[in-house]
This record gives sequence, C-alpha cells and structure tokens, in this order.
Amino acid sequence: AQTVTQSQPEMSVQEAETVTLSCTYDTSESDYYLFWYKQPPSRQMILVIRQEAYKQQNATENRFSVNFQKAAKSFSLKISDSQLGDAAMYFCAYRTSTQGGSEKLVFGKGTKLTVNP
Amino acid sequence: EAGVAQSPRYKIIEKRQSVAFWCNPISGHATLYWYQQILGQGPKLLIQFQNNGVVDDSQLPKDRFSAERLKGVDSTLKIQPAKLEDSAVYLCASSRRPGDNEKLFFGSGTQLSVL
Repeated sequence: AQTVTQSQPEMSVQEAETVTLSCTYDTSESDYYLFWYKQPPSRQMILVIRQEAYKQQNATENRFSVNFQKAAKSFSLKISDSQLGDAAMYFCAYRTSTQGGSEKLVFGKGTKLTVNP
Repeated sequence: EAGVAQSPRYKIIEKRQSVAFWCNPISGHATLYWYQQILGQGPKLLIQFQNNGVVDDSQLPKDRFSAERLKGVDSTLKIQPAKLEDSAVYLCASSRRPGDNEKLFFGSGTQLSVL
C-alpha cells in the first residue's frame, strides 16, 4: 500500500520569505500523481499544485513550485514571497494513475504553516 | 460555478445515536467521494461513487457506515450507531468524471463530535 509522510508537523516563515515543506512517499508503482493541497480554517481542501510522475520537469504555479525527486520518492513544496493568506494546513497526497479504477487520494498528516508579519 | 455543498456544518451527538450527512456535488459531476478526516490526520477515502454506482468502498466500516447516491446526484452518508472514534470532519468531493486530468473539488465538510 502507498504511504505518504510529512515529517514537519509545523513550520513558520516571515512574510515575503521562502519556505519549503517536505514530503516523502512509498510506492512500487511507476505511474502516479502527486499533489499539494491547502486547507484553511474553512476546512475546504484547495489544490495548490500537481505533478505527474512521468514528467521530469518540476511543476510551477505562480509562487508555488515543487522539487520532485522520483528516485528518492521525495516531493517538496516551495512557497516564495510568502503571504499572510498562505497560512494554513498543507497536505501532500498521492494518487495512482486511474485507468478507470479507484481514484483514491492517500494523504500525509499535514504541515501547519504559520506566516509571521 | 457553485461549489460542493455540504450540510450540516457541525453536528454533536451522543455515542450510539445515528447521524446523517448530505452532499450536493457540482452540477454535472459524475464522480463523488466521501473522506473522513480525524483531527491531526489527513483525509481518508471512505467511498467513491461513479454516477450512482460504487467504485471503491474498501475503507468504509460497513457494520455502521452506509452511503447512497440516488439518481447519481446528491449523496448521504449515515453512521448508525456512532462511536467516539467517529469524531471527525467528513469531507465530500466531486469531479466531472474519472480520469487522470480531472480536478477534485472539495466541500467545507461536516464536523462531527461524538460524546
């Protein structure tokens, strides 16, 4: 079974600075997807960024980028120019390539990010 | 477009009571998911529907949990009887259809406290 590990229960960053959240995963599959979700106090999970395992190029979405190391099974999230609105729980998630089957997302335990003004 | 709607937002019950949660996915979304998020953990999939059929319910405690999606639109998740360990946030999500490029949209969840 696939597992996702986030080793940092809490992180903090100064406004306008850069922070990196860590994630490792375990799988025997070669084709899969990785995600970072943001969960503010409203509880709604919001997709931040996604990475297809077959793509070597790291995904980027504005101030958010990932460092995907497939051999090391590592998938970290870098937030540049941190803003107060970035404060939230961040979850790393894994999903098998579907091919018509279950699309179960396997989540890590999350990292609570605090942004200090 | 309107998001995934869930109700109630909060629910407090005593153990051994019954409770039901409701989810209205985004219009036209064929795939619907229920996730359980216990405090301090990431969400865990309970059940996935494709239209009104079940795709995956391998992690649903079927002795006490049940879910249905009549007519392939709204869905209800029921717990009967509830246990203390069922205290959690229950998140509903939907997507247009299964597929690698399909994005999941989550609701704001129902926070259940079992006393």
